[in-house]
Amino acid sequence: AQSVAQPEDQVNVAEGNPLTVKCTYSVSGNPYLFWYVQYPNRGLQFLLKYITGDNLVKGSYGFEAEFNKSQTSFHLKKPSALVSDSALYFCAVRAASGNTPLVFGKGTRLSVIA
Amino acid sequence: DAGVIQSPRHEVTEMGQEVTLRCKPISGHDYLFWYRQTMMRGLELLIYFNNNVPIDDSGMPEDRFSAKMPNASFSTLKIQPSEPRDSAVYFCASSFRGQGTYEQYFGPGTRLTVT
Repeated sequence: AQSVAQPEDQVNVAEGNPLTVKCTYSVSGNPYLFWYVQYPNRGLQFLLKYITGDNLVKGSYGFEAEFNKSQTSFHLKKPSALVSDSALYFCAVRAASGNTPLVFGKGTRLSVIA
Repeated sequence: DAGVIQSPRHEVTEMGQEVTLRCKPISGHDYLFWYRQTMMRGLELLIYFNNNVPIDDSGMPEDRFSAKMPNASFSTLKIQPSEPRDSAVYFCASSFRGQGTYEQYFGPGTRLTVT
């Protein structure tokens, strides 16, 4: 079975500071990993994904994520947070093989304080 | 492409009434998903279709919920009768197997309030 854990319900960071939103996963075989962002009253928007290759993935709005197979993690990072980054962030996973849909984590609310 | 389209964006109804939510996936996508989002339960997958055929409906909360996909460009989620605990935001998403990664694209959601 596939699963995703986002251990933090809320992350607070000061504007200009680096941010990290944590995600760990469990899947049989190789994973496909995704980060989505949800702004208030909007649907989920795709940020970035890891399929294969370089463990450091760069995505939209200056976000990046690092795939760590040994730790089964895919943490989302940004070097310098903006107030506009405040949103709900979802990590998702699916097995590379088979036809199962994405499994989403419960989400982490990021608040960037000016 | 206009993206995934959902209607209505907001729905307020009284307990016991029938509610129908609508979704138009991105043209060419062969997977369609219905999700429900609440503060208490987060994002829940209700049902998904592949090529208009329901594949897994194990997330549908009870028999009051039903979903159909009569063709590749339209799906409905129906609640009959509705109850206050059904109040939530319902999202539709679609994806294309040809991408090989099953990345999902979400609609803006329908905010349902049952009084």
